[in-house]
Amino acid sequence: RKEVEQDPGPFNVPEGATVAFNCTYSNSASQSFFWYRQDCRKEPKLLMSVYSSGNEDGRFTAQLNRASQYISLLIRDSKLSDSATYLCVVNDAGGTSYGKLTFGQGTILTVHP
Amino acid sequence: SQTIHQWPATLVQPVGSPLSLECTVEGTSNPNLYWYRQAAGRGLQLLFYSVGIGQISSEVPQNLSASRPQDRQFILSSKKLLLSDSGFYLCAWSAHHSTVGGTFGSGTRLTVV
Repeated sequence: RKEVEQDPGPFNVPEGATVAFNCTYSNSASQSFFWYRQDCRKEPKLLMSVYSSGNEDGRFTAQLNRASQYISLLIRDSKLSDSATYLCVVNDAGGTSYGKLTFGQGTILTVHP
Repeated sequence: SQTIHQWPATLVQPVGSPLSLECTVEGTSNPNLYWYRQAAGRGLQLLFYSVGIGQISSEVPQNLSASRPQDRQFILSSKKLLLSDSGFYLCAWSAHHSTVGGTFGSGTRLTVV
């Protein structure tokens, strides 16, 4: 089983749609969680952290379910500029791993007019 | 503030030639350092992970090696490149036991011909 698994996509949605991405992780000791965004031919950049209580940043909402080892990202009112690959990231901040970041394979989102 | 530098941005090398990609981090000490590769249209593959000088974990068997001669310097090397080594190489750093994720360099696009 992969350490971090994501919906492979691709997701093709019209402008204004709501889209949700899911991610599961295998290491129950994982302590920090993130969503990154990668534009075509660019490096990934941090989109938002994911907190246990859930958190929102404008049109983006991230949620964490530790019991199910599940992370989600919801994008409301999709814009053309949201088209990108979204990467789920887990950080094993404890123990001897020194906080190694583990990335999912990413989910491709295309928002069309 | 912390910055990460990676060069060159683009590289075209013949099969069988050597490779050396360098990554340096400024504004922090004792970072976790990572080398990733991304083949065209594919997800990130972790190649090497380092928690300190001279401490390198190889994640997948391959034609590449990594070294960390200084605290904030991470080098990716090959003695003889293969066609399959073509891809987008990304260096990243994170703090030990970080809860704020990590940051990528701008990447090197390597084409082996």
